[in-house]
Amino acid sequence: KNEVEQSPQNLTAQEGEFITINCSYSVGISALHWLQQHPGGGIVSLFMLSSGKKKHGRLIATINIQEKHSSLHITASHPRDSAVYICAPSGAGSYQLTFGKGTKLSVIP
Amino acid sequence: DTGVSQNPRHKITKRGQNVTFRCDPISEHNRLYWYRQTLGQGPEFLTYFQNEAQLEKSRLLSDRFSAERPKGSFSTLEIQRTEQGDSAMYLCASSLQGKNTEAFFGQGTRLTVV
Repeated sequence: KNEVEQSPQNLTAQEGEFITINCSYSVGISALHWLQQHPGGGIVSLFMLSSGKKKHGRLIATINIQEKHSSLHITASHPRDSAVYICAPSGAGSYQLTFGKGTKLSVIP
Repeated sequence: DTGVSQNPRHKITKRGQNVTFRCDPISEHNRLYWYRQTLGQGPEFLTYFQNEAQLEKSRLLSDRFSAERPKGSFSTLEIQRTEQGDSAMYLCASSLQGKNTEAFFGQGTRLTVV
């Protein structure tokens, strides 16, 4: 079973701050999702990456497959970024995702 | 296509009753997944379909749970004789077939068993 650890569990930031959320996993994977979940439950896929780095707007995701580690960065954070961010790797040979417990981000104006 | 659709969004039921949830995936997606999320936890895998075939089932899926995808399009998840421990958010996701394809999630069905 892939053990997924996210840090921090909770994060409060001032608007405009640069934010980093980290994810470590224990088993080799083929790809990793970063997901955003707002109150009410709906999940939005932010990134799926299997190597290197991806950027979308103010969001940047990186992954180091050898070190079994991924990070999600938010530049110039905004209160609308307040949500739970979940890391979900998919194992090699398996289609299912394993989810971290999430990082609850609150951005204060 | 508006994405993955789940119905109902909320369901309150009495213990012992049966409930059924529906998921309509993105139309060209042949993979469909069900996950369950309890308060404060990340989602947990329940089951996976490729077209109409149910290819994986988690040990979390007890005998009271059954999922179907009869025509390879929409899927239903039924819980029989509900228990309070079944209260959770039930999430559906779909993706295209192939290696490292991105999963798209529905809004979820929140079940409360009273």
